[in-house]
Amino acid sequence: DAKTTQPNSMESNEEEPVHLPCNHSTISGTDYIHWYRQLPSQGPEYVIHGLTSNVNNRMASLAIAEDRKSSTLILHRATLRDAAVYYCILTYSGSARQLTFGSGTQLTVLP
Amino acid sequence: NAGVTQTPKFQVLKTGQSMTLQCAQDMNHEYMSWYRQDPGMGLRLIHYSVGAGITDQGEVPNGYNVSRSTTEDFPLRLLSAAPSQTSVYFCASSYSGNPVEQYFGPGTRLTVT
Repeated sequence: DAKTTQPNSMESNEEEPVHLPCNHSTISGTDYIHWYRQLPSQGPEYVIHGLTSNVNNRMASLAIAEDRKSSTLILHRATLRDAAVYYCILTYSGSARQLTFGSGTQLTVLP
Repeated sequence: NAGVTQTPKFQVLKTGQSMTLQCAQDMNHEYMSWYRQDPGMGLRLIHYSVGAGITDQGEVPNGYNVSRSTTEDFPLRLLSAAPSQTSVYFCASSYSGNPVEQYFGPGTRLTVT
């Protein structure tokens, strides 16, 4: 299975943009890139997903490198409520519902 | 919609006891799954189901049983609890399709002494 690499932790100031990186150098052509986040004491929450093109939704943007070996989750204006562990997950078409969680990036938002 | 609900929220068991963690969803999702999360780690898949009457094993199935008699419910049974099963358990559901957004429940925190 293709693996992802994320920084253990990042800090951001409130109301500033946050760029959360993810490396996935062994990604295959049919792997989707998903992002989930987990707020303290809660279950994971879907954020966004993409395949090749950049994606935007109400929560965030996903920027995917042209060679697909890396991606960046962009929170446009961080709030205190965005403090969470962010997981970058690859799923291949055969089992897109089986999520393999790594250790993620702990995002701290400073007021 | 209530989404994905899990009961109980907390449970303490003694080694060797059995219990069932309940999971229900009201979104008519075909796919349901169970994960466990140990302290400081990511989630690991225990069992999953692609529809009523169909279940399969995930990454860490030993010590757990599941069944899926209805679309709405997907209970997880611990047959003989062990301290190594102390964890937080999350249930998730989604539509079929590829890819899909999965919806997670609030979790059950289980301690086995």
